[in-house]
Amino acid sequence: AQSVTQLGSHVSVSEGALVLLRCNYSSSVPPYLFWYVQYPNQGLQLLLKYTSAATLVKGINGFEAEFKKSETSFHLTKPSAHMSDAAEYFCAVSTYGTYKYIFGTGTRLKVLA
Amino acid sequence: EAQVTQNPRYLITVTGKKLTVTCSQNMNHEYMSWYRQDPGLGLRQIYYSMNVEVTDKGDVPEGYKVSRKEKRNFPLILESPSPNQTSLYFCASSLGGKETQYFGPGTRLLVL
Repeated sequence: AQSVTQLGSHVSVSEGALVLLRCNYSSSVPPYLFWYVQYPNQGLQLLLKYTSAATLVKGINGFEAEFKKSETSFHLTKPSAHMSDAAEYFCAVSTYGTYKYIFGTGTRLKVLA
Repeated sequence: EAQVTQNPRYLITVTGKKLTVTCSQNMNHEYMSWYRQDPGLGLRQIYYSMNVEVTDKGDVPEGYKVSRKEKRNFPLILESPSPNQTSLYFCASSLGGKETQYFGPGTRLLVL
């Protein structure tokens, strides 16, 4: 069965500091992995996705994530946080043939001035 | 404009009064899905549909029904709502089950 674990329901960083949001997954078959962002009072939008083409995936707004099979991780990073990055971030997993989509519990990012 | 629309956006109802939340997409997507979002629990999949007349249960289907009679529409039905169904609901669509999902704006439901 698939599952996703996001460590840290709340993360605070200073503006200009590194952002690191953690995601670990469990899947018996090669997964498709996603990071979505949710701004206040809005739906979710895709930040980036891993579909086995490359282990380092670049997304929008300067975010990137690295797929590490040995660690079953797909952590999200951004070198320098901006105030506009304050939002809730969700990691999700899907696998070919299942059609189920599993989301993590989310990490709320706060950016301090 | 490519989009997923949901109606209503906000709904207050009473226990046991049947309601329907509509969802429509204009991207010709085959896959559609309903989620509920609750604090600390993230998004949990209620039902999904791989194509017209093909639906399946997600992780939390109890108390909900869906139908997919047309490709663009995927309504969520609560036949006898209860207070534990108070939540924020999202509809989403995609080309397939492993593809990027496009989300609607959400429907906030309060069941008294």
